[in-house]
Amino acid sequence: KQEVTQIPAALSVPEGENLVLNCSFTDSAIYNLQWFRQDPGKGLTSLLLIQSSQREQTSGRLNASLDKSSGRSTLYIAASQPGDSATYLCGVTGGGNKLTFGTGTQLKVEL
Amino acid sequence: DVKVTQSSRYLVKRTGEKVFLECVQDMDHENMFWYRQDPGLGLRLIYFSYDVKMKEKGDIPEGYSVSREKKERFSLILESASTNQTSMYLCASSSGTIMSNSPLHFGNGTRLTVT
Repeated sequence: KQEVTQIPAALSVPEGENLVLNCSFTDSAIYNLQWFRQDPGKGLTSLLLIQSSQREQTSGRLNASLDKSSGRSTLYIAASQPGDSATYLCGVTGGGNKLTFGTGTQLKVEL
Repeated sequence: DVKVTQSSRYLVKRTGEKVFLECVQDMDHENMFWYRQDPGLGLRLIYFSYDVKMKEKGDIPEGYSVSREKKERFSLILESASTNQTSMYLCASSSGTIMSNSPLHFGNGTRLTVT
C-alpha cells in the first residue's frame, strides 16, 4: 500500500526566503505526482503535475522535482510572499487511478 | 476554467439520518472522486467513478455509497449518519485515463457535522 510522507509538518519563514518542501513515497510504481495548495476551509488547488517520465515542472516561482527511484519529490518556492501561506500537499497516482495524499506541510510566510 | 461545485458548504445532521452530498462538475470529466479530510489523517479516498453508472471503492467505503446517474454529477450518500462521519468532504474530478496525466480539480468542500 502506498504511503506518502511530508516533512516538515509545519514551517515558518520570513518573507523573501527561498524554501523547499519535501514529499516521499514508498512505492515507486507511480504514474504521476501532483502538488496542491489548500487555504483554510477550502478545497485543494492543483499547482504542478509531474509525470513519472519527467524530472521536474516549473510554474512561475514554483519548481517541483521528482526522483522516482528514490521515492522523493521536492517543491521549491522562490522569493516567498505572505500570500504563499497555506498548506501544501503532495499526491501520488498509482495503480487503479487512485491518488494517495500526504498529510501536508503548513507554511507560514511572515512579514 | 474547471468548476467543481459542492452543493453545501456546511451541513449539520443527526445520528441515523440519511445524508446526501452532491457534487457537479462542468468540464465533461470522466473521473470523479469523493475524499474525506480529517486532522492528522489527511485525505482518504471513499469512492470514485470512471464513468456514468460506474463506481469503485476507495480506501474507506464503509458506511457510504455513491451514485453517478449523469456524467457531471457524483453523489455521496451516508446511509445512516454516525458521529464518526463528522468530517470535511471533498469532491474532485479529472479527465481521461491514468495515462492522460490530467490534474485533479477539487470543490470547496462540505463540512459535515453529525450530532
